[in-house]
This record gives sequence, C-alpha cells and structure tokens, in this order.
Amino acid sequence: DVVMTQSPLSLPVTLGQPASISCRSSQSLVFSDGNTYLNWFQQRPGQSPRRLIYKVSNRDSGVPDRFSGSGSGTDFTLKISRVEAEDVGVYYCMQGSHWPPTFGQGTKVEIK
Amino acid sequence: EVQLVESGGGLVQPGGSLRLSCVVSGFTFSNYHMTWVRQAPGKGLEWVANINLDGSDSYYVDSVKGRFTVSRDNAKNSLYLQMDSLRAEDTAVYYCARDPRLPDYWGQGTLVTVSS
Repeated sequence: DVVMTQSPLSLPVTLGQPASISCRSSQSLVFSDGNTYLNWFQQRPGQSPRRLIYKVSNRDSGVPDRFSGSGSGTDFTLKISRVEAEDVGVYYCMQGSHWPPTFGQGTKVEIK
Repeated sequence: EVQLVESGGGLVQPGGSLRLSCVVSGFTFSNYHMTWVRQAPGKGLEWVANINLDGSDSYYVDSVKGRFTVSRDNAKNSLYLQMDSLRAEDTAVYYCARDPRLPDYWGQGTLVTVSS
C-alpha cells in the first residue's frame, strides 16, 4: 500500500499568519491517465471530512482562496495564506492513484 | 443538493453483524463508484471498501476481507455495507462517500460500536 506521511502532525498558528502542511507519498501518484489523484480534506471537530483540494491544486467550490495546493510526484503541500478561526481542525491528504486509497495521519491545526 | 445519509449503526457484540445503509440524493447514483471510509474514535481516516457502477466489482481493505460485503441498489439510490464477524477493532464512525479516487461528497457518518 502507498504510505502517506504528513508533517507536522500538530500545527499551532497565530490568527492571520500562514500555515503549511507537507504530505509525502511512498511512490509516485501519477496515474496511468496522466492525472495525479492527490486530495486534501478538512475535518472540523464533530463533522464529516470536507474536500478542499482535488488533483493536487484544484480548489473545490466554496473553498476560500486562502487555501492552495501544490506539488508533484511524491511531494505535496497544502497552504493556508492567512489562518482564520474557522480553519481549526484536522487536515488529511489522501491518494486515489493506487489501490487501496490511503490517507495521511492527519495534521491538527489549532490557534495559538 | 447532493446528500448522502447513512444509517444502521449501533452497539453489537463481538462476532455479531450489522448492515449499514447509505441513501443518496441530488445526483445520478448509477453514474458513480461509491466507497465506505471509517474513522475509529480519536483516530484518522481509513478506506474500507468500494464498489463499481453496477455492483459487479468491489474492493476491500485487507482487515475486512471475507467479513464485509459492499453492495448497491441503483433503483433505490442506496449503498450498503454488510458487516459480519465484527471485532472490537471495527468500532468506528462509518462514512459513505462518492467516488473513491476523488471523494467529493460524504455522509454524516454512522457509529458502529463492537463491545460486549
């Protein structure tokens, strides 16, 4: 199985400051169709996961533009340009390029 | 509006069975592969199973193979997860989601607790 490794696992951030989460896969996530199925999810306390970013860098509808995704191959990053209080939660990367789909361990974002 | 609503969770003894359901609306169910993902209390997300468009093919995480069966009824816009021989380690919130590669819509989850 493809192992997804996130860092850091805990991320205290000051309101209005940027935040960055790294996700590395144990093998390339480029699929045979040329797409890279790397997604990012936000899970607020007590809620279901919500997809923020799909295929590395595509922001979902309704997701604030302070969220951005980048990367290629095995190294990926989720950035929040200016953290707001509503961004508190756990963030997961997930790959859908190889079976079975696998998730990172999660990064808990909290306000300092 | 796309909606996925799970039901069927509850408390069950080790070795028992449960059948989870996920009823969807707001999109053409038969056009999408579907998936089940679970989350143990205080833990991360784990993919469990997925099923293809007509239900003729399915995949499972190794830990549930031979014990869980995913199925669907496209006429009823419904996805199912039959869980047999349940173990304590199956205790989790179970989510259904659309599209295993790019899960965009998720249900609210249903809690399964396996305990004596």
